[in-house]
Amino acid sequence: DVKVTQSSRYLVKRTGEKVFLECVQDMDHENMFWYRQDPGLGLRLIYFSYDVKMKEKGDIPEGYSVSREKKERFSLILESASTNQTSMYLCASSLRAGGTEAFFGQGTRLTVV
Amino acid sequence: QKEVEQDPGPLSVPEGAIVSLNCTYSNSAFQYFMWYRQYSRKGPELLMYTYSSGNKEDGRFTAQVDKSSKYISLFIRDSQPSDSATYLCAMTIQGAQKLVFGQGTRLTINP
Repeated sequence: DVKVTQSSRYLVKRTGEKVFLECVQDMDHENMFWYRQDPGLGLRLIYFSYDVKMKEKGDIPEGYSVSREKKERFSLILESASTNQTSMYLCASSLRAGGTEAFFGQGTRLTVV
Repeated sequence: QKEVEQDPGPLSVPEGAIVSLNCTYSNSAFQYFMWYRQYSRKGPELLMYTYSSGNKEDGRFTAQVDKSSKYISLFIRDSQPSDSATYLCAMTIQGAQKLVFGQGTRLTINP
């Protein structure tokens, strides 16, 4: 079974802090994604990566950056956390481009106070 | 208009009922269709994946794609309380860079 593991289930951070969300997948997938999920807005794509050291902006990249130094690991960075970044963050990976048959991690519930 | 429309519900049905969940879409180029199940405070779990038109069955779950109507469905037979979750549809085009998700339908199965 594909496993996508996010480093934290719950995080509480202060406004202005730099926040790192880590994601690791164990199926040698080329493609990895970061989404945020908010009530009424659904899943929104922040960034994705189709290869090591490659990254592409999604629909809402402002205030975020990413890092993919190794194939299995994709990190999301909040440069200076703000309260409007309080959300559920979901990492996903897929063998195929575009996220077809994507597998998700368990999610990180981030609260910025 | 959103590319993918999904009624958010909530939908509440008695245990044992047949459940029908649906999504409509506007982009006729979509060819890969997925259904995800998401329990409260968890990540989405891939339930069904279908390429192009037709039906696919897996146990109590059946996914149906009608490309002529731009309409996809997920049927759950003999529904169980453990099926209570939010169901998300997602779709994409070959070569596209991302999935397009519906809003999700919140389903409750009452014992």
